[in-house]
Amino acid sequence: GENVEQHPSTLSVQEGDSAVIKCTYSDSASNYFPWYKQELGKRPQLIIDIRSNVGEKKDQRIAVTLNKTAKHFSLHITETQPEDSAVYFCAARSPLGTSYDKVIFGPGTSLSVIP
Amino acid sequence: GAVVSQHPSRVICKSGTSVKIECRSLDFQATTMFWYRQFPKQSLMLMATSNEGSKATYEQGVEKDKFLINHASLTLSTLTVTSAHPEDSSFYICSARVTASGPQHFGDGTRLSIL
Repeated sequence: GENVEQHPSTLSVQEGDSAVIKCTYSDSASNYFPWYKQELGKRPQLIIDIRSNVGEKKDQRIAVTLNKTAKHFSLHITETQPEDSAVYFCAARSPLGTSYDKVIFGPGTSLSVIP
Repeated sequence: GAVVSQHPSRVICKSGTSVKIECRSLDFQATTMFWYRQFPKQSLMLMATSNEGSKATYEQGVEKDKFLINHASLTLSTLTVTSAHPEDSSFYICSARVTASGPQHFGDGTRLSIL
């Protein structure tokens, strides 16, 4: 089955700086990669996702890149703000209709943005 | 749109009690729902995939007789933790997809504390 690794486990940045979180996955058949933000005690919220036919996607201050060959994908947050502080999870999903059609999460990155 | 409602939000009960958690898709039909467990400062671990009208698919290491899942309608899945013990204390969270290829939307989670 799929295995997702994520680095770093904790990340502190100054307000206004950029933050980068990196993930790797093991199943080359995985084709959908969402990123979730989870504040303490709350539900994970989808912030951006990317499919395997795209190398990069951007939404305002958030961007995700995907390298299928290396099985790497990364989250980039620019101009960080204190409200960006949360735990971020990357995830990977194998193709629909397979026995592995499920989202597997990475271990998470705790991001702290220092005012 | 795409609201997933989960109840109750918090349960505190004695060891040996069985606890039922409900997950509802409020504005869409979900043939498939997912149940996750999250221990403090850890990632979301998939427990099982709930399929409407058929048996749930459990992940390796998850006891199906311990965690009973029923998905009797297109908008409701329930997870029953049978004879709960302190080690079952955790944050249980469900999710559902509007479309098979779309992102997962999470409920608010249920914090279960077994005394």
